[in-house]
Amino acid sequence: EVQLVESGGGLAQPGGSLRLSCVGSGFDVRNYGMNWVRQAPGRGLEWLSYITSDGGYTYYAPSVEGRFTISRDIARNSLHLQMNSLRSDDTGVYYCARDVYSGPSDWGQGTLVTVSS
Amino acid sequence: VMTQSPLTLPVTLGQPASISCRSSQSLVSSDGNTYLNWFQQRPGQSPRRLIYKVSNRESGVPDRFSGSGSGTDFTLKISRVEAEDVGVYYCMVGTQWPRTFGQGTKVEIK
Repeated sequence: EVQLVESGGGLAQPGGSLRLSCVGSGFDVRNYGMNWVRQAPGRGLEWLSYITSDGGYTYYAPSVEGRFTISRDIARNSLHLQMNSLRSDDTGVYYCARDVYSGPSDWGQGTLVTVSS
Repeated sequence: VMTQSPLTLPVTLGQPASISCRSSQSLVSSDGNTYLNWFQQRPGQSPRRLIYKVSNRESGVPDRFSGSGSGTDFTLKISRVEAEDVGVYYCMVGTQWPRTFGQGTKVEIK
């Protein structure tokens, strides 16, 4: 069974940093592209970032490009999102999702990030 | 840009429902496939993919859900709405960068 468990969320100050992690089980991250998606309170889904199965290419939404960095840890079968220069509008629940047939097919339970002074 | 309509859909239990997703450009990929996805998000839950590649149901998705369409116009249909179908539905194309979700359609029971 595929499982994804996010962690690392919490309270951060504007301008601060957080690093999110997502540990996968039941599959090998080397064989799948992976996504980060977020949802601001009361809002819709916003796709943030994607890393290819070989780790060679990364894509970002304009709202986070230059501030967020997606990466993988093969040894730990995990995905990460380094978030710098945080703003209040970065507040929300952050989901990682495994990509199958060019779309997020399996999702974690999410981790809440709150950016506030 | 993915445009969904309606944004709110009141439905009667047992009746059909239909959600539209339109793109500003053709979604046909260079390999000839169209990677249009539909997601369901029930209240308080993580999103769940229902449909991939326009019309393919994920394992475990009830057959009352169906996807159709081509080019720029796509539709998610629920043949007979059940109480557990309440939530927000999103479309997303997987082969255009950056990826974007539709605005979401909230399905509620009348």
